[in-house]
Amino acid sequence: SSEVTQDPAASVALGQTVRITCQGDSLRSYFASWYRQKPGQAPVLVIFGKNNRPSGIPDRFSGSYSGNTASLTITGAQAEDEADYYCNSRDSSGSHVVFGGGTKLTVL
Amino acid sequence: QVQLVESGGGVVQPGRSLRLSCAASGFTFSTYGMHWVRQAPGKGLEWVAVIWNDGSNKYYADSVKGRFTISRDSSKNTLYLQMNSLRAEDTAVYFCARDEDIGWGGYFDYWGQGTLVTVSS
Repeated sequence: SSEVTQDPAASVALGQTVRITCQGDSLRSYFASWYRQKPGQAPVLVIFGKNNRPSGIPDRFSGSYSGNTASLTITGAQAEDEADYYCNSRDSSGSHVVFGGGTKLTVL
Repeated sequence: QVQLVESGGGVVQPGRSLRLSCAASGFTFSTYGMHWVRQAPGKGLEWVAVIWNDGSNKYYADSVKGRFTISRDSSKNTLYLQMNSLRAEDTAVYFCARDEDIGWGGYFDYWGQGTLVTVSS
């Protein structure tokens, strides 16, 4: 199975912008989706497809793509955005799911 | 509203078996693919298995293939994960998650709260 990789940690000052990336060859062919997970809670979908947000997710969350990299951008980060963020996509066969290792976001 | 409630976790000895359940409500269960995803203590998310809405297709992560079996009962709106030959490295919180499509459509739109499985002697 092909992999997708994330930086393990990122930080952002309150109110500033942060980009979290997810790299993998499969992202040249398939969309990524992004999940936010706070301690002791289940993951929550924040971005899917090209750049779509489920209802209830603030518009400060957005997604984008370039080559083999998918990005999650938080514009005007809030304290409540501090969490672990995971990307996922398909492997090269298209039938399996792959997750990135997660990025721990700290809001300073 | 969509609800997914896992059960069946607990402490089990290595080599033994355990069956997890995920009770679904608030949507038409038979029209969505379903997944199991696990998270070892302090670690990231790991996909385990997917089953198509009608049970016609099932896929597994290499780490569990041949030991775990995913199934569903649409008459009971319940997803299952039969786990055999358990190992210490299977210790994790197991989440069930709904796919946005009939199989593996690209993302998980709803997740349960998880059930903890601890494999230890």
